[in-house]
Amino acid sequence: NAGVTQTPKFRILKIGQSMTLQCTQDMNHNYMYWYRQDPGMGLKLIYYSVGAGITDKGEVPNGYNVSRSTTEDFPLRLELAAPSQTSVYFCASRRGRSSRETQYFGPGTRLLVL
Amino acid sequence: GEDVEQSLFLSVREGDSSVINCTYTDSSSTYLYWYKQEPGAGLQLLTYIFSNMDMKQDQRLTVLLNKKDKHLSLRIADTQTGDSAIYFCAETGSARQLTFGSGTQLTVLP
Repeated sequence: NAGVTQTPKFRILKIGQSMTLQCTQDMNHNYMYWYRQDPGMGLKLIYYSVGAGITDKGEVPNGYNVSRSTTEDFPLRLELAAPSQTSVYFCASRRGRSSRETQYFGPGTRLLVL
Repeated sequence: GEDVEQSLFLSVREGDSSVINCTYTDSSSTYLYWYKQEPGAGLQLLTYIFSNMDMKQDQRLTVLLNKKDKHLSLRIADTQTGDSAIYFCAETGSARQLTFGSGTQLTVLP
């Protein structure tokens, strides 16, 4: 199992550009999450999904969109990149709804918006 | 809203014990977690404790929970250089999502 994989590892965007951060998990997990981690801060939840076709907003959803057409993939879309979106983005997955279940994290995507 | 607070930095000597502290505000927290983040990597779950427990031990790790004071701590015995990382406290409360603290950077000195 590869676990949770994310691409790209690092990207520089100009203000106003768009991009999609990819996230894939091969553990057949229902729950998937996108977080951002700003320097010296904890993780903030952007969006999450409880299964294919179902997504919901987290704490900081503005400026982002997601889709979940398959169980494996949960891409995060930035339509008009802004400097405030400079951050490290982590995707995570979990098998079920129980809080006892472990969330598995990907290695992260570092995004710099100039 | 829910809040989780941690001190930002901790330095210890190799072989000593490390104690990382965390406070939280959500009284409905059900599970509390400790995650470890090594440089350039994602978060790795170290351990968790259910809110009706006051202690959990797992090899070199001891988690203490004081639910009355909403205080959680992680003790690492015989700290090694490989333990140098950022440690995040997190809780699942009324929002049923993980709320993270800002992380404690643990530096282990030789």
